[in-house]
Amino acid sequence: EIVLTQSPGTLSLSPGERATLSCRASQSVSSSYLAWYQQKPGQAPRLLIYGASYRASGTPDRFSGSGSGADFTLTISRLEPEDSAVYYCQQFDASLPIFTFGPGTKVDIK
Amino acid sequence: HLVQSGAEVKKPGASVTVSCQASGFTFVSHGLIWVRQAPGQRLEWMGWLHGANGNTVSSQRFQGRVTITRDASASTGYMELSSLTSEDTAVYFCARLKVVPRPFSTDSFYSMDVWGTGTTVIVSS
Repeated sequence: EIVLTQSPGTLSLSPGERATLSCRASQSVSSSYLAWYQQKPGQAPRLLIYGASYRASGTPDRFSGSGSGADFTLTISRLEPEDSAVYYCQQFDASLPIFTFGPGTKVDIK
Repeated sequence: HLVQSGAEVKKPGASVTVSCQASGFTFVSHGLIWVRQAPGQRLEWMGWLHGANGNTVSSQRFQGRVTITRDASASTGYMELSSLTSEDTAVYFCARLKVVPRPFSTDSFYSMDVWGTGTTVIVSS
């Protein structure tokens, strides 16, 4: 079973700064099956990025995804106060077929 | 939209069933995924139901305690978790599986694009 690790655990940045979040898989995964979610306290997760780099409907263009193989990145180009949240990567293993979430990266806006 | 049933308080050893009613889309055209989140913890995938054929796959972590079903006529999905312990105290979410063909490829994108309202389940004696 593929394991996802995310780094850093917590990111503390100021508005306007750039945030780079990493998601690493224990083995290569298809970029078609890699997604990113944003979760704010007390809320359900929200889909931000699917297919590793495609923005979901309503996702601001300051969010971008990249990567392939076992290494993927979510970048927030210019942080806004409302971007304070936990961000999860998730992958689908079509061979099993099961889904897996990473442990999340918390983004704090100072 | 996905609207879930209300909060539950259960005793250890009991079972709980959470419902997830869909509206605004063709229910049987999409898979339904169940995810839970213990207090302060990460999202944990529990299982899913395939939209077209109704087949289910559950996480082995639950050792057969999870049963996922649906009532297509009511556009409602169900997740039953049995033999509850305090470690099952969590918020339970359903989510719609979005499958989109990848351009210029035989592959498809898989993601969870609509999420339910969440159901809090507390297991306590």
